[in-house]
Order: sequence, then structure tokens, then C-alpha cells
Amino acid sequence: AQKVTQAQTEISVVEKEDVTLDCVYETRDTTYYLFWYKQPPSGELVFLIRRNSFDEQNEISGRYSWNFQKSTSSFNFTITASQVVDSAVYFCALRWGGATNKLIFGTGTLLAVQP
Amino acid sequence: EAGVTQFPSHSVIEKGQTVTLRCDPISGHDNLYWYRRVMGKEIKFLLHFVKESKQDESGMPNNRFLAERTGGTYSTLKVQPAELEDSGVYFCASSQPLYRTRGNTIYFGEGSWLTVV
Repeated sequence: AQKVTQAQTEISVVEKEDVTLDCVYETRDTTYYLFWYKQPPSGELVFLIRRNSFDEQNEISGRYSWNFQKSTSSFNFTITASQVVDSAVYFCALRWGGATNKLIFGTGTLLAVQP
Repeated sequence: EAGVTQFPSHSVIEKGQTVTLRCDPISGHDNLYWYRRVMGKEIKFLLHFVKESKQDESGMPNNRFLAERTGGTYSTLKVQPAELEDSGVYFCASSQPLYRTRGNTIYFGEGSWLTVV
């Protein structure tokens, strides 16, 4: 079965703190894709990153970084020096290989960055 | 390039009425998807179109939901008759053909917020 778990329901930090959002996934497939999406208060789901199962390199994009570890089935997301504009709900999602492009989402983590 | 657009952004209807949601995918995206998030739960897949054909409709909750994509461009999702438990956010998304390098990236719209009272 495919499953994505985001154990942190809500996180509150003060501006400039670093924060890590956890994502643990389950799949039996050897080929799969992991995603992070951001949902700001305006409502749209903004694509942040896609990582395939054969690429375990960590990625950094500005203040954002992602740590993909197949050994622990985790794909964690770290925001360095958080800002108020980072306040949003963040979703981790899994898509397994094959013709279907169906995403399985976690329940999301609400991040509140206080000034 | 315009993103995925959805209409209406918000809708409040009474139980038993009909609502039709519209989605315009990103130009050139053959794949179109509907997802929904109900009552703060996880976002769940409803169905997937490839052009005008339904590739996967395993997530459609019941026969009160009807999705169409005539001509392979925009899509509509009709709920008839609406029930209280249908309240939530309905997201539309699109992607390039899967054989393309970026075909695995799915882009979402802003969602249509539906409230059934």
C-alpha cells in the first residue's frame, strides 16, 4: 500500500529560526516520485520540488533544502532562517511508477512563522 | 504562461442543488486531474483524464459526481445533488504527457471552495 505520513500537524516558530518538516512514505515500488507542495493562505498548491527514487542527492534551493533518505523512507524539508511569508500548509506527496499519475498526499503540516 | 485556472473560486449551495466546477489546464497539458480536500483531511485523488479520455476514475466517491473533458481541453466536475459531506476544496491539476521529462510534475490550481449548507 502507498502511504504518506506527516506526523507534525502544526509547527510554530519565530522568524529566522530553522524548521524541518518531516515526511515518511511507504511504497513497495522501486520507482516512485516524491513531491513537496506549499499551500499559502491564498489557497493554491504551489509545486516546490520533485525527487525520483533513483536520485538520493539532497537538494538546496535558496533557504529551502530537502533530505531524501531511502533507508528510512523519509523526505524531509528544511527551511533555513524562516520568514513570515513561509507561513503556509506544506504537503508531502508520493507518486509511484506506472501509467497512472496519481498522487498520494500526507495530511499536511501547518507552519506558522511569527514575526 | 498561464497556470491552471479554476472557476468558481468559492461556491455556497444548498443541499440537493447542483454545482458545476470548471478547470482550464495549462496549455499543452494532456493530463488533467481532479483532487479534493474535505474537512481538513488529506488531499485525495478523484480522477485523471488523458486528453478527453478517463484514464483513472477510481477516486470518484459516488455517482453524484460527473467529470467531463469534451475536446480534451477544459474539464468540468458536476456534483448533483450535492450533499453536506461534499463540502471541501476541489483542486484541478495538469501535467505534460508522462513520456516527457517533466511529465511527472503536476501543477495545481487555486482550488474551488465548495460549501454545501
